[in-house]
Amino acid sequence: GESVGLHLPTLSVQEGDNSIINCAYSNSASDYFIWYKQESGKGPQFIIDIRSNMDKRQGQRVTVLLNKTVKHLSLQIAATQPGDSAVYFCAVMNSGYSTLTFGKGTMLLVSP
Amino acid sequence: ETGVTQTPRHLVMGMTNKKSLKCEQHLGHNAMYWYKQSAKKPLELMFVYNFKEQTENNSVPSRFSPECPNSSHLFLHLHTLQPEDSALYLCASSPLNNSPLHFGNGTRLTVT
Repeated sequence: GESVGLHLPTLSVQEGDNSIINCAYSNSASDYFIWYKQESGKGPQFIIDIRSNMDKRQGQRVTVLLNKTVKHLSLQIAATQPGDSAVYFCAVMNSGYSTLTFGKGTMLLVSP
Repeated sequence: ETGVTQTPRHLVMGMTNKKSLKCEQHLGHNAMYWYKQSAKKPLELMFVYNFKEQTENNSVPSRFSPECPNSSHLFLHLHTLQPEDSALYLCASSPLNNSPLHFGNGTRLTVT
């Protein structure tokens, strides 16, 4: 099976700082990785994904890095804004099983 | 508007009640899911439907009964629940198995 863990339950940053949220997974056969953002009172919202044939992917102000050697995934948010305050989850999939395993989430707190 | 609509947003029920949660997706997706989100725990997959057929039942107690009448609608029928079933129940959809899930905003269930 798969287990997914995050290193920090809470991350506090100042507005304008860069934020890095980490995730570790256990199954080396995992080949699809997703980051979600969940704001209070809402469901998880897709941010960015990456497949195992890549090690980096960029979106608008976000970058996902994948290190398959150590089974580590990170989400980098540039110039963090108060609106980025939310819980961030990574989710991991082994395409052979087609179901996502979620981590517990890191709460990102952005202070002005 | 997330494209996945869940009703009701909040539900309080006694242990002897019968109630149903409803989910509707307007995205033309073929797969629909029920997840349970409890405090400080990862999202737990409950049920998966592909093209209206149930493809996964993740060892969920029989007091939870899913129904998928068509690829746009998903129900979760609840009866004789326990207080520990209190949680946020999230519905999600996806076009294919190996693609991001799109979540609704959930039903906050409280069992008294």
